[in-house]
Amino acid sequence: DIQMTQSPSSLSASVGDRVTITCRASQGISTYLAWYQQKLGKVPKLLIYAASTLQSGVPSRFSGSGSETDFTLTISSLQPEDVATYYCQKYNSAPLTFGGGTKVELK
Amino acid sequence: EVQLLESGGGLVQPGGSLRLSCAASGFAFSIYAMTWVRQAPGKGLEWVSTINYNGVGAYYADSVKGRFTISRDDSKNTLYLQMNSLSAEDTAVYYCACDSSGYYYYFDSWGQGTLVTVSS
Repeated sequence: DIQMTQSPSSLSASVGDRVTITCRASQGISTYLAWYQQKLGKVPKLLIYAASTLQSGVPSRFSGSGSETDFTLTISSLQPEDVATYYCQKYNSAPLTFGGGTKVELK
Repeated sequence: EVQLLESGGGLVQPGGSLRLSCAASGFAFSIYAMTWVRQAPGKGLEWVSTINYNGVGAYYADSVKGRFTISRDDSKNTLYLQMNSLSAEDTAVYYCACDSSGYYYYFDSWGQGTLVTVSS
């Protein structure tokens, strides 16, 4: 099975900082990659699908890139409301594995 | 608007069984693949199982294969997860989820989740 590895597992950044989260697949998955945001105590929210397509209603400061094995989620200017845990997920075929998550905190 | 409402969670003893339900509304349930995702306390998201729109194809995480069974009743717009031989490692919030376009296996629609606690 394909493994999904996120890094870092946590990070601390200041408001306005550019934040980058990486997700690596153990085998190529084309662009069948989604990103989710989960705030504390809340349901996960889809941010990006097809590696780089922004879900409707998601602020444009979020962006995604990559293909095959290496993917990136970028927050161009971190806002206080972006404090959350972020997950990647492969969806080319079962198992529909999630990455381990990246917790983003404010410095 | 897609609405998903899970039920059936609760406290169960190790080795016991539980059946979760997810009542769907606001979309053509019968033509959508549906999925269960769980999250143990303080842990990350874990995909559990997916069932195709026709109910023929069902897929399971290795951690639940042989113990859990996913099913659907399209006449009731309801998704199920039958969980047997439960252990403490199955303690989690269980979400049902789907892609509202019906074509893909990422999830833009989620229920609020139902908590399953396995403990003696």
